[in-house]
Amino acid sequence: DTEVTQTPKHLVMGMTNKKSLKCEQHMGHRAMYWYKQKAKKPPELMFVYSYEKLSINESVPSRFSPECPNSSLLNLHLHALQPEDSALYLCASSRGGLSEQFFGPGTRLTVL
Amino acid sequence: KQEVTQIPAALSVPEGENLVLNCSFTDSAIYNLQWFRQDPGKGLTSLLLIQSSQREQTSGRLNASLDKSSGRSTLYIAASQPGDSATYLCAKTDNYGQNFVFGPGTRLSVLP
Repeated sequence: DTEVTQTPKHLVMGMTNKKSLKCEQHMGHRAMYWYKQKAKKPPELMFVYSYEKLSINESVPSRFSPECPNSSLLNLHLHALQPEDSALYLCASSRGGLSEQFFGPGTRLTVL
Repeated sequence: KQEVTQIPAALSVPEGENLVLNCSFTDSAIYNLQWFRQDPGKGLTSLLLIQSSQREQTSGRLNASLDKSSGRSTLYIAASQPGDSATYLCAKTDNYGQNFVFGPGTRLSVLP
């Protein structure tokens, strides 16, 4: 399996909802990433899990909470989001923190 | 502050032309540089990865080069096809693998 999968493909949520995005890979990669991409902009790195150790982009608000239950699975928990958080959320994985990154198809999130 | 730039921002060429996309970066602490393509509303597809110890990589009609001293990478596409139409992004990571920074992308249109 050489894929990174993401669910759901689309998500619409209100500002008071709690939801989660899921990412999975079965390539034996030990690093996984969350990115946020606004329209016509490049992706921006939010979080990195490398060998189960979390690194955070300090500018990411606390309403985004990552979780890495095991080396194949990465979740992004969402709570009390704002309309400006609407974006394409991309997950990626790599063999290690310095290796080639492979991306999933993304989750299109709309916050009403 | 790390900065990655790409020129041109957009490019339109007739089918069959050879073309060059440019990527420049200001921070010389580079471990590797990766080129991606992104179709509208989709995830990123990895094209080529060049490590800092390498000068170029080739895959089919694609050739990417890296010049650390001048802070530049180029992506050469030979015999362009309409299916090559997409946004092409370059991204670099530093020696710690914690900062993966994308350029703004070049939007390529190959006309039949």
